[in-house]
Amino acid sequence: ETGVTQTPRHLVMGMTNKKSLKCEQHLGHNAMYWYKQSAKKPLELMFVYSLEERVENNSVPSRFSPECPNSSHLFLHLHTLQPEDSALYLCASSQAGMSYNEQFFGPGTRLTVL
Amino acid sequence: DAKTTQPNSMESNEEEPVHLPCNHSTISGTDYIHWYRQLPSQGPEYVIHGLTSNVNNRMASLAIAEDRKSSTLILHRATLRDAAVYYCILRDAYGGSQGNLIFGKGTKLSVKP
Repeated sequence: ETGVTQTPRHLVMGMTNKKSLKCEQHLGHNAMYWYKQSAKKPLELMFVYSLEERVENNSVPSRFSPECPNSSHLFLHLHTLQPEDSALYLCASSQAGMSYNEQFFGPGTRLTVL
Repeated sequence: DAKTTQPNSMESNEEEPVHLPCNHSTISGTDYIHWYRQLPSQGPEYVIHGLTSNVNNRMASLAIAEDRKSSTLILHRATLRDAAVYYCILRDAYGGSQGNLIFGKGTKLSVKP
């Protein structure tokens, strides 16, 4: 247990569905992150939130829409995804500020797009 | 692009020390060297980080070359649970996008009983 939980752990959706991934951290952190891990590709940073403001969007398609309502919760809203979006989606949290602050990762949501 | 170079894979025997190398010849003076690992079916976890001096913690040791162009993660006694992909990552001390975790392919460590 890292103090970062993600739900659901597995998700199968069609290309026309709308779904959301949820991340919650119980560590008192104020920065949260979404990463994507595709088969045979390195982990890719998608979004960074610091103090509930989005500070980074790494050229992620608009079919992925993040939301950070407070410092403990992070969502990734999904709509009209493509099969190539099938991947493990990982959430992480840390203390904002110094970059050497450790990031704590959740177990991920395994997404399959049919 | 990742600014570090690691071997794709390494093998170790259980209860023996493991030295995982990382080259970072273009490291800047404000880059910290971080190591994370990812066990099968889990998210990455922090292992250790350092700037110039060697570092020790309960999980591992980090040996940093004097010119900082390379480093070595040392697992003193490998266990089966240490089988994972190990990532060596440079992070700028001043944060911003250069302070983000940018993962490369890492080194896949196999541990034999």
